[in-house]
Amino acid sequence: DIQMTQSPSSLSASVGDRVTIACRASQGINNFLAWFQQKPGQAPKTLIHAASNLQSGVPSKFSGSGSGTDFILTISSLQPEDFATYYCQQYYSYPWTFGQGTKVEIK
Amino acid sequence: EVQLVQSGAELKKPGESLKISCQGSGYSFTNYWIAWVRQMPGKGLEWMGIIYPSNSKATYSPSFQGQVTISADKSISTAYLQWSSLKASDTAIYYCAVKVAGTFWGQGTLVTVSS
Repeated sequence: DIQMTQSPSSLSASVGDRVTIACRASQGINNFLAWFQQKPGQAPKTLIHAASNLQSGVPSKFSGSGSGTDFILTISSLQPEDFATYYCQQYYSYPWTFGQGTKVEIK
Repeated sequence: EVQLVQSGAELKKPGESLKISCQGSGYSFTNYWIAWVRQMPGKGLEWMGIIYPSNSKATYSPSFQGQVTISADKSISTAYLQWSSLKASDTAIYYCAVKVAGTFWGQGTLVTVSS
């Protein structure tokens, strides 16, 4: 199985901060990577697919980059509604696997 | 608009069987793989398996192989996840998801297994 490791596992940030979350795959996955946001009590919401493509309807403050084994999710200016847990997922090979999640909290 | 609508919450006893559903609309149901994802209380997302509704070919994560069965009925655009004998450790929220130019998610089905 391909292991997906996110860093950090949690972070504290202030409104207006630029935030980056890293995701590393244990082997190359080309650009077969998605990013999801999940708030308590809600289903996950897709932010990014194919490493850097913004899901329809998602604000442009979210961006994704990377290819191969190393990927980054960036939130350009953190807003109160962005405090949530973020997951990466590879869909390069079965079983598709998720990172452990990064919880973004208010400083 | 792509939509996945899942069946309602379930409360079952250990040893009971269960089948939950996920109905797709707004896209060509038979042509896109549907996945199932587990989220245990307070934990992260776990990919369970996936099915291609056109031919009902299913692929499972090794962690879930033999523990659940994924199926689909393309005549009613519905995918299923079933258990033959539930355990307390199956208590979780289960999501279905389809990748159609990005991933669309169902609202989740809470399954509680308790004696």
